[in-house]
Amino acid sequence: QQQVKQSPQSLIVQKGGISIINCAYENTAFDYFPWYQQFPGKGPALLIAIRPDVSEKKEGRFTISFNKSAKQFSLHIMDSQPGDSATYFCAASKRGSTLGRLYFGRGTQLTVWP
Amino acid sequence: ETGVTQSPTHLIKTRGQQVTLRCSSQSGHNTVSWYQQALGQGPQFIFQYYREEENGRGNFPPRFSGLQFPNYSSELNVNALELDDSALYLCASSSFKQGSRETQYFGPGTRLLVL
Repeated sequence: QQQVKQSPQSLIVQKGGISIINCAYENTAFDYFPWYQQFPGKGPALLIAIRPDVSEKKEGRFTISFNKSAKQFSLHIMDSQPGDSATYFCAASKRGSTLGRLYFGRGTQLTVWP
Repeated sequence: ETGVTQSPTHLIKTRGQQVTLRCSSQSGHNTVSWYQQALGQGPQFIFQYYREEENGRGNFPPRFSGLQFPNYSSELNVNALELDDSALYLCASSSFKQGSRETQYFGPGTRLLVL
């Protein structure tokens, strides 16, 4: 059972455009929502993260929008660049006995055309 | 500050064999988690080690086992390998502090192929 659902599976965007990736969850115990970026042959690297007490967080060209009532969150990449081409994973974790266990979405393969 | 390292980078085994994967956590980190990432999928949590003890386990059978050493490095052992065990195995380290949530830093992974 996938606890975090991610869409789309793949995304093609022109250079300078906006990339939007969406995620949804059901478990209201989740209280930390990170996004990871993974390049081929590498492990996932933390991009940006948000907690449910805020509705938006921005770091440079990357913004997370969070809708607690809808149990949805999304990643927006502004002015997308070819170097942003990678696989993006949303994830969630909850307080509990396992320290920061991450539940990942299936991933979105982003391709930015020059 | 060194990052998370894993060895080997690639491994080929046959069905029924046993494998040991190794992970050195980032300097100052005391918690290690292991994840399995099948091709085209997101990472799936296998288990976590804190203070040399297993601290939580995902939906993986007992033939997946692990260790954490006093220097916080860790091993993942898989017995009786099956074809479906072919995947990228990721190690992630973090620094647990009471009452806080710390970022997990991932290593580059070990690509395991079971024939």
